[in-house]
Amino acid sequence: EAGVAQSPRYKIIEKRQSVAFWCNPISGHATLYWYQQILGQGPKLLIQFQNNGVVDDSQLPKDRFSAERLKGVDSTLKIQPAKLEDSAVYLCASSLALAGANTGELFFGEGSRLTVL
Amino acid sequence: AQSVTQLGSHVSVSEGALVLLRCNYSSSVPPYLFWYVQYPNQGLQLLLKYTTGATLVKGINGFEAEFKKSETSFHLTKPSAHMSDAAEYFCAVKPGGYNKLIFGAGTRLAVHP
Repeated sequence: EAGVAQSPRYKIIEKRQSVAFWCNPISGHATLYWYQQILGQGPKLLIQFQNNGVVDDSQLPKDRFSAERLKGVDSTLKIQPAKLEDSAVYLCASSLALAGANTGELFFGEGSRLTVL
Repeated sequence: AQSVTQLGSHVSVSEGALVLLRCNYSSSVPPYLFWYVQYPNQGLQLLLKYTTGATLVKGINGFEAEFKKSETSFHLTKPSAHMSDAAEYFCAVKPGGYNKLIFGAGTRLAVHP
């Protein structure tokens, strides 16, 4: 079974530039998550999709971050314009999340490491 | 609000020694609890999870954890550390009624000869 795919693995940009990250979840997984992991901290949830709808984006800085999952499969996370404090690893995860049968296990991709100079 | 506290950002043990990584949670309803491991430049991999039933759960690579409701704890242990166990370990809670995980800050485990 193929895992969660993310690209690019590494990206270096200057502040005020834009960047986009792509994620393809495990086939059949209805729920997709984007987490931000700053060096030395645990992952923080940015946004959660159920199919192509947003379930939770309460911690997404909406003035600069956007995400979409138009067809309910793969997803893109965009940052525009980037700030120095956006330097982090952006982790994508997916889960089955069937109603009433979700044990909560998330499957993670390898992450996209962003460095903002 | 739900939260996870991992005591000790760095833990160092000798090869063959007991590994104990501490995790306490706060949740208004019984949660599901998880331990994930992250090796350098990799994503997070599930070690073990507690949902319901037996409070002592066993995971991969010889790790186990015990859910203690009275102490709101879910500490991770392994009887004998191996060099390959060196990694960062994250405790996470899935609050009741929510399909998301809240992570602790992580504990970096170092294993020395």
